[in-house]
Amino acid sequence: EPEVTQTPSHQVTQMGQEVILRCVPISNHLYFYWYRQILGQKVEFLVSFYNNEISEKSEIFDDQFSVERPDGSNFTLKIRSTKLEDSAMYFCASISFIGINNEQFFGPGTRLTVL
Amino acid sequence: GENVEQHPSTLSVQEGDSAVIKCTYSDSASNYFPWYKQELGKRPQLIIDIRSNVGEKKDQRIAVTLNKTAKHFSLHITETQPEDSAVYFCAASNTNAGNMLTFGGGTRLMVKP
Repeated sequence: EPEVTQTPSHQVTQMGQEVILRCVPISNHLYFYWYRQILGQKVEFLVSFYNNEISEKSEIFDDQFSVERPDGSNFTLKIRSTKLEDSAMYFCASISFIGINNEQFFGPGTRLTVL
Repeated sequence: GENVEQHPSTLSVQEGDSAVIKCTYSDSASNYFPWYKQELGKRPQLIIDIRSNVGEKKDQRIAVTLNKTAKHFSLHITETQPEDSAVYFCAASNTNAGNMLTFGGGTRLMVKP
């Protein structure tokens, strides 16, 4: 069964450094999402992406964040200058088509630790 | 925006008992309500979902009910087993507006053998 994959599984970085989190959505999926989960808390929506552009973003997704689909398969989340509070698990999700089957398939996550 | 509240935050039951988790939502435009199970350090896994045109859905030991008027929905797990122990999240979305999920705060379910 196809799965969403994410790399790396764990990223440790120093405050102020840039990080890029990578996701490979399921191949025929059209809508892509990033969520984050601070340890012990709920999953929070960051951004959705469709047709090569951002369709929705939350208040968390400020100017430090950006997303890109550079090559038609990868979907990346960049944090330009990491802060301590960016430490969280970041999940990528994808969906084939909104309407008939709305299940979002989640990747295994990237644990980001900002020191 | 949408706000989803979930109760209880922790739930401990004996094996074989039933477990009920409740959620309320605020946005009447939400029309899709999935439930996710998350084991420690793992990705959220969809266990059941319900759309706003349906009041109840059942899949073996799991059922979900939806009351659109009251804006609440519930997860029912019958004959609980130790492997049901996990954190359960409810979520709501509007499939006509991008389908981004707003999650509840989660319920840690512990099934004691």
